[in-house]
Amino acid sequence: AQTVTQSQPEMSVQEAETVTLSCTYDTSESDYYLFWYKQPPSRQMILVIRQEAYKQQNATENRFSVNFQKAAKSFSLKISDSQLGDAAMYFCAYRRIGGAQKLVFGQGTRLTINP
Amino acid sequence: DGGITQSPKYLFRKEGQNVTLSCEQNLNHDAMYWYRQDPGQGLRLIYYSQIVNDFQKGDIAEGYSVSREKKESFPLTVTSAQKNPTAFYLCASSDRDRDFYSNQPQHFGDGTRLSIL
Repeated sequence: AQTVTQSQPEMSVQEAETVTLSCTYDTSESDYYLFWYKQPPSRQMILVIRQEAYKQQNATENRFSVNFQKAAKSFSLKISDSQLGDAAMYFCAYRRIGGAQKLVFGQGTRLTINP
Repeated sequence: DGGITQSPKYLFRKEGQNVTLSCEQNLNHDAMYWYRQDPGQGLRLIYYSQIVNDFQKGDIAEGYSVSREKKESFPLTVTSAQKNPTAFYLCASSDRDRDFYSNQPQHFGDGTRLSIL
C-alpha cells in the first residue's frame, strides 16, 4: 500500500520570506500523481499544485513550486514571498494513475506566517 | 457556480443512533468520495463511488454505510457500530480521467463536524 509522510508537524516563516515543506512517499508504481492541498481555518481543501510523476519538470503555480525527486520519492513544496493568507494546514497527497482516483494523504504540516 | 454542498455543517449524535451526512454536487462528476479527518491527522478514505449504483470500501469503512442512487448525491450514514464517530467529514468529487494520463483533481465540500452528545 502507498504511504505519504510529512515529517514537519509545524513550520513558521516570516512574512515575505521563503519556506519549504517536506513530503516523502512510498510506492512501487512508476507512474502516479502528487498533490499539495491547503486547508485554511475555514477547513476548505484547496488544491495548490499538482505534479505528474512522468514529467521531469517541476510544477510551478505563481509563488508555489515543487521539488520533485522521483528516485528519492520526495515531493517538497516551496512557498516564496510568504503572505499572511498562506497560513494553513498543508497536505501532501498521492494518487495512482488509472483505476479509482483515491487520494492517500500525509499527516499535514501547520504553517504559521509571522508578520 | 458549480460545487459540492455538504450538510449539515454541525451534527450531534446520541448513543446508539444512526446519523446521515449529506453530500450533493452539481459538477456532473462521476466519482465521489468520503474522507474522515481527525485532529492533527490527514484525511482517511471511508468509501468511494466511481459510478451510480456502485461503491467500494476505503481504508476505514467499518461502522459506515453509503448509497449512490443518483449521480449528484452520495450520502454517508454513520451507524451505531462506529464507536468513535467524532471527527470532521469531507466529501469530494472528481471527473473521470479522459485518458490514462489526464489527472482530474478532486474538489472538496466544506465539511461536516460530527460530535457525540
